[in-house]
Amino acid sequence: DTEVTQTPKHLVMGMTNKKSLKCEQHMGHRAMYWYKQKAKKPPELMFVYSYEKLSINESVPSRFSPECPNSSLLNLHLHALQPEDSALYLCASSQGLAGAGTQYFGPGTRLLVL
Amino acid sequence: TQLLEQSPQFLSIQEGENLTVYCNSSSVFSSLQWYRQEPGEGPVLLVTVVTGGEVKKLKRLTFQFGDARKDSSLHITAAQPGDTGLYLCAGPTSGTYKYIFGTGTRLKVLA
Repeated sequence: DTEVTQTPKHLVMGMTNKKSLKCEQHMGHRAMYWYKQKAKKPPELMFVYSYEKLSINESVPSRFSPECPNSSLLNLHLHALQPEDSALYLCASSQGLAGAGTQYFGPGTRLLVL
Repeated sequence: TQLLEQSPQFLSIQEGENLTVYCNSSSVFSSLQWYRQEPGEGPVLLVTVVTGGEVKKLKRLTFQFGDARKDSSLHITAAQPGDTGLYLCAGPTSGTYKYIFGTGTRLKVLA
């Protein structure tokens, strides 16, 4: 099974709302990722968790707050977002270091900020 | 800095035609992945190539990894409308958790 699941599929929120995106994998992968993708562009890395600890933060604004409750779950908490944050948010996982194996993606959450 | 350049950036062809997409770099990669992505959906893994010179086939899709592991190609035979999408190559950076993505190729196959 190479499945990464994400909820919700779609999300519309106002600039004052607080919402969370959820991601889950049961492949035993120890690295989990959040990406942001704008239309017709490649995914842009936001955060990487390895062994449940934050390893990489690509200078993402603090209105995005990641959380890794356990080795299978990854959350992205959203607060006071801007309209330019509207995008497809992708979760991914891999076995460990990038060179150790392939990265698998979830179906994404389409976020619209009004 | 490792970069992956894809060409062409956009391709519109008729059903039944053949096409090749290229993914090139000046850096050596331990492996390269190819993904296909439809609008609003996550990238779906097509293949991982690991060995220089490796050729892998997935139905009408043929993937090749360059001998020097700096480039890869994707060849589609007799393209169908269902092949329409964004094709991305990606490769791992050495010793980190980061993957480098290619610039993407948008393919449209017309019926």
